[in-house]
Amino acid sequence: KNQVEQSPQSLIILEGKNCTLQCNYTVSPFSNLRWYKQDTGRGPVSLTIMTFSENTKSNGRYTATLDADTKQSSLHITASQLSDSASYICVVSAGRGFKTIFGAGTRLFVKA
Amino acid sequence: EAQVTQNPRYLITVTGKKLTVTCSQNMNHEYMSWYRQDPGLGLRQIYYSMNVEVTDKGDVPEGYKVSRKEKRNFPLILESPSPNQTSLYFCASQREGYNEQFFGPGTRLTVL
Repeated sequence: KNQVEQSPQSLIILEGKNCTLQCNYTVSPFSNLRWYKQDTGRGPVSLTIMTFSENTKSNGRYTATLDADTKQSSLHITASQLSDSASYICVVSAGRGFKTIFGAGTRLFVKA
Repeated sequence: EAQVTQNPRYLITVTGKKLTVTCSQNMNHEYMSWYRQDPGLGLRQIYYSMNVEVTDKGDVPEGYKVSRKEKRNFPLILESPSPNQTSLYFCASQREGYNEQFFGPGTRLTVL
């Protein structure tokens, strides 16, 4: 069964600190892995997209890694800001990329 | 401005009263999809469409219908809504050959 599991479920950090979110997946055939940021009540917004051949991708203070052998990905946030408070969702696409499986998300709270 | 729009944004209805949630994109994307998001479960795919007149079931299609008569529009139809369809619904579009999905602002539906 295609699944995407994220950990932790929620996380509280102080402003300025770094954090790492985890994503494990069992999706076949793998097409790509995306990380999204979702503010409360709004649609997800893409942060990074990685295909099978890519093992790291950065977008400003966000850096995603992918290990296709172990089927794990991580999202590292550097020097967190209050505006980073949101849900972070790992999404894996299968086949031609139209079949998408979403993780339940990690809820990040950044405190001043 | 390139965007995905949904209407209505909020809807409260009663069991059994047919409703349609519209979705429109102005990016000429081939692929469109509907998701529902429930607390603790993440987004789940309801239906998707790879092009005009081509639709397929996602993970949770029961109780929903879709149509894709035009490339830009992908309405979600609930013929006989039930309380378990109370949820936050997102429409998304994607250009074929590209991995990024663009999400609409969401429709919060309550079925009493």
